[in-house]
Amino acid sequence: GAVVSQHPSWVICKSGTSVKIECRSLDFQATTMFWYRQFPKQSLMLMATSNEGSKATYEQGVEKDKFLINHASLTLSTLTVTSAHPEDSSFYICSVGGYTEAFFGQGTRLTVV
Amino acid sequence: AQSVAQPEDQVNVAEGNPLTVKCTYSVSGNPYLFWYVQYPNRGLQFLLKYITGDNLVKGSYGFEAEFNKSQTSFHLKKPSALVSDSALYFCAVREADSGYALNFGKGTSLLVTP
Repeated sequence: GAVVSQHPSWVICKSGTSVKIECRSLDFQATTMFWYRQFPKQSLMLMATSNEGSKATYEQGVEKDKFLINHASLTLSTLTVTSAHPEDSSFYICSVGGYTEAFFGQGTRLTVV
Repeated sequence: AQSVAQPEDQVNVAEGNPLTVKCTYSVSGNPYLFWYVQYPNRGLQFLLKYITGDNLVKGSYGFEAEFNKSQTSFHLKKPSALVSDSALYFCAVREADSGYALNFGKGTSLLVTP
């Protein structure tokens, strides 16, 4: 399967600052990548669909101005959490895949203090 | 609309015993079904999938799942559990002819005791 690398694995930031998370597809050209959010002991919730060369599609209730997504190439999508607050602390996971498969990054643990 | 239900928050089984983690789904068309495992603070590891063909699907680490269309179920099974199987298991569905994103169940925590 495809290898998906997410960076950083964990990050601690101060409230009010911005944090960028990278998702790289190492061996799969991804016109579409997905960003999920996972709260402790809960399921993964789709936040947005990242589209190469165009605007991301956000799920209902997800603030597009707070969670900025850029998909500048077929191998890289970034999620920037702007003006982070403690309630943004969560586990963020990206995925790539085709119609019958999905491969996930190792996730990023964000803690906002 | 598509959805997945994992009715059990936790499943406990003794090492060496068979294990079953339940999953039922709801889609309006043909389902693509997946099982993933997650270890603490890690991403999701793919176990197996059903797209079409044989209802019994064999996957990684000795796991298998049976697609049952009449019962809309896709239960995960393993004949003999290992302590190292202890993790969080997610069932996911994608409806054929829909977008690429997966819809996940809430997850089932599997605890295998020595």
